[in-house]
Amino acid sequence: ETGVTQTPRHLVMGMTNKKSLKCEQHLGHNAMYWYKQSAKKPLELMFVYSLEERVENNSVPSRFSPECPNSSHLFLHLHTLQPEDSALYLCASSQSWDSNEKLFFGSGTQLSVL
Amino acid sequence: GQQVMQIPQYQHVQEGEDFTTYCNSSTTLSNIQWYKQRPGGHPVFLIQLVKSGEVKKQKRLTFQFGEAKKNSSLHITATQTTDVGTYFCAVTYSGNTPLVFGKGTRLSVIA
Repeated sequence: ETGVTQTPRHLVMGMTNKKSLKCEQHLGHNAMYWYKQSAKKPLELMFVYSLEERVENNSVPSRFSPECPNSSHLFLHLHTLQPEDSALYLCASSQSWDSNEKLFFGSGTQLSVL
Repeated sequence: GQQVMQIPQYQHVQEGEDFTTYCNSSTTLSNIQWYKQRPGGHPVFLIQLVKSGEVKKQKRLTFQFGEAKKNSSLHITATQTTDVGTYFCAVTYSGNTPLVFGKGTRLSVIA
């Protein structure tokens, strides 16, 4: 266990559904991240939160909406997704929002959009 | 955006053979991290290199950072089946910028 817990592990949804991914870290870290991992592509950073404030948003479509209610919890709200959004969504945390900090990843949510 | 090249994309080795993956950038790097992802798993941090020419070892794994801080390598001596997985480099270019991940090298070890 890395101290970062993601739920659900697997999710199948239709293009008109609304769902949310949840991430919780038990490490006392101040920064949390959402990454997308697709086949044949590098890990793509989607969002970064530092002390509950969004500090990075890499041109992600508005159908992905993050929420960070406190430094231990991070959500990714999904609505009207497309089939090409099918991927492994990984949450990560680090001690601080600093490029020298190592990332602790959760086990991910494998998302399939039909 | 800036990209980092990682080669090879795939590597199949016999158990006991050595393995090396390379990470190359056209721009000077601030630091580099290496991660390992087992099949069906998530990336796990292995090491961070910061200084020019730095070499670090973890048992059978040797990590190097080039003198010009534009490339790095991960070498595994005498591979074992437990080494199977995808090895990613992740780099930062300057200051407090996000990590940029390479596409990874997928290692298969044949017993």
